[in-house]
Amino acid sequence: KAGVTQTPRYLIKTRGQQVTLSCSPISGHRSVSWYQQTPGQGLQFLFEYFSETQRNKGNFPGRFSGRQFSNSRSEMNVSTLELGDSALYLCASSFTSGGSYEQYFGPGTRLTVT
Amino acid sequence: QQPVQSPQAVILREGEDAVINCSSSKALYSVHWYRQKHGEAPVFLMILLKGGEQKGHEKISASFNEKKQQSSLYLTASQLSYSGTYFCGTEIIPGNKLTFGGGTRVLVKP
Repeated sequence: KAGVTQTPRYLIKTRGQQVTLSCSPISGHRSVSWYQQTPGQGLQFLFEYFSETQRNKGNFPGRFSGRQFSNSRSEMNVSTLELGDSALYLCASSFTSGGSYEQYFGPGTRLTVT
Repeated sequence: QQPVQSPQAVILREGEDAVINCSSSKALYSVHWYRQKHGEAPVFLMILLKGGEQKGHEKISASFNEKKQQSSLYLTASQLSYSGTYFCGTEIIPGNKLTFGGGTRVLVKP
């Protein structure tokens, strides 16, 4: 079974620009979560989507947004980029059935804002 | 509020045991444990739910003490492959967002 894929893997943007990151979950997984990881703030939850609906949102400004498509693929968008947005953005897909839960992360997108 | 992990780092010899703690100031519904190796994405290890039983993954197990609002991860007979940074993620309300601890760096030496 193919894993979670994220594109692009690396991205360099300039302050003020916007960026869109993509995540394709494992087949059959309907929940997709996004996380930001930085050396200073650690791992932080951005948002979670399930069946095209945002279920949860972390404490990030409105510049961070996302969406999920009918095929469970998800995108996140960051507008008006700031230097502090430089981070590893991770996407994870998860599946819950009965009493079992599984979650898999993609390799991440390394965003550098200059 | 961010859970507190302790210790921040631990160095083990192969075959030794270690315990990593994750403490919250609020009552928890669930605790998720992850391991991340340098330059790689986190790997989900296990989830412990309020009222649930102790879980295990290889020789790594965890417990959840609801009264103490704490979870502990046990690395038993550690292997070189156990090296990495371990994170706990806590959930206060079912279906709510995860809040992560600062991580515990584990280095297992031969």
